Amino acid sequence: DTAVSQTPKYLVTQMGNDKSIKCEQNLGHDTMYWYKQDSKKFLKIMFSYNNKELIINETVPNRFSPKSPDKAHLNLHINSLELGDSAVYFCASSQEFTDYEQYFGPGTRLTVT
Amino acid sequence: QKEVEQDPGPLSVPEGAIVSLNCTYSNSAFQYFMWYRQYSRKGPELLMYTYSSGNKEDGRFTAQVDKSSKYISLFIRDSQPSDSATYLCAMSKAAGNKLTFGGGTRVLVKP
Repeated sequence: DTAVSQTPKYLVTQMGNDKSIKCEQNLGHDTMYWYKQDSKKFLKIMFSYNNKELIINETVPNRFSPKSPDKAHLNLHINSLELGDSAVYFCASSQEFTDYEQYFGPGTRLTVT
Repeated sequence: QKEVEQDPGPLSVPEGAIVSLNCTYSNSAFQYFMWYRQYSRKGPELLMYTYSSGNKEDGRFTAQVDKSSKYISLFIRDSQPSDSATYLCAMSKAAGNKLTFGGGTRVLVKP
């Protein structure tokens, strides 16, 4: 049974479109994250939610909007996609906000053409 | 300049060799240090965690932190082909602070 799952796994879309990525964790964790990993493998945090409340909001264009309907889900909606948004997006979760151990999903590979 | 630097590799070693990985960082506020392993097309998974300076051993893995030099290391003994992956260091300033990752070092262990 998958701990942190993301859908879709691959997403190919054109510039200007709007797309969403969904994430679910069945670990009973309180905190969830969105990361972006660029082509050079740098993994950078975008957002963090603790018990559905936004606690980390890095300098990310406001075209990116996270939404946490409940503790187990954290979705990412991206408006007006740009070429530079092409990357792998990882969802992660941790037991608590203060935990250093984060469990990552398999990633969503987004390609904007 | 990135806050956390890692040589991207690839680092190619024969099976059974010791793999030596390291990261340097610029912010002396970092207190918590982690190593994550990432297989191709998968998400990272936590390998080792160290708080402040010192060594930590877990099976074939040893993590070292030298805060005075702002340098952390990961050693993998008796390396196996299954150790072939990208190794990412990560660090944070306090519990609950965001993790800052290095760019990862790709390791290839040849049979």
